[in-house]
Amino acid sequence: QVQLVQSGAEVKKPGASVKVSCKASGYTFTTYVINWVRQAPGQGLEWMGWISAYDGNTNYAQNFQGRVTMTTDTSTRTAYMELRSLRSDDTAVYYCARHSSPHNYGSVSFDPWGQGTLVTVSS
Amino acid sequence: EIVLTQSPDTLSLSPGERATLSCRASQSVSSDYLAWYQQKPGQAPRLLIYSASSRATGIPDRFSGSGSGTDFTFSISRLEPEDFAVYHCQHYGSSPITFGQGTRLEIK
Repeated sequence: QVQLVQSGAEVKKPGASVKVSCKASGYTFTTYVINWVRQAPGQGLEWMGWISAYDGNTNYAQNFQGRVTMTTDTSTRTAYMELRSLRSDDTAVYYCARHSSPHNYGSVSFDPWGQGTLVTVSS
Repeated sequence: EIVLTQSPDTLSLSPGERATLSCRASQSVSSDYLAWYQQKPGQAPRLLIYSASSRATGIPDRFSGSGSGTDFTFSISRLEPEDFAVYHCQHYGSSPITFGQGTRLEIK
C-alpha cells in the first residue's frame, strides 16, 4: 500500500538546522509532488511548500522563503525538508503529504500523509 | 492568501446524531478546490472529502461535503464513536495553500 515513513523526533537548539526525511513506498515516486505541513502544539495545520519528485521544482510558502529547502533523492525514494535558523516557535510536528493525483503541481488534495516528526527547539 | 474560518470551534454531540461543520473562505475558492481532513489525537490528518463534495477512496457514505464559492459544509449523517476527532478544511486551488483552524467534534 502507499506509505510515507518519516524520520524520528529531533531536539535542536535555537539557531540550529534540522533535516526531516520522508521515505515513500507503494507507488511510482517520481510521478508525484510531496508537500510539507507543520502543526505547532495545540494549533492548526500550516503548509510549508511542495517539491515535485519528477523534476525537482519547488514552491515554498512565503513564511518560510529563505529558511527552508526541500529536496528529493529518487534513488532512495526519499524526500527531505531542511529548516534553518530554528526558533522556539518552530517547535511542531512536521508532516510530509503526497499529492493525491500524479503529474500535477497544484490544485490537488493531500493523500496520504506521513506519521509526523516532532521537532523541539529549546535551549 | 485565502483565510478559512471554521465554525464552531467545538461541537458536542452524541453517537447517532448528525454533525454539521462549516468552513467559510475570505474569497471565492476556485473550482471548489476544497478538502476536509479528519485528525485523531497523535495521528496524521486523513483525507475524507476533496473537490468540496467527492469522497476519498474508502470513506464511508455517512461523510459528505457540499458548498461552493466561499461557503462550504461538512456533514456526518450518524455519528459513530470513532468519528469524534478534529476536522480541518483546506483550500488547494492556489498558492499559498491554507487550512482552517479546525473544529473539534467531542462526545456529549
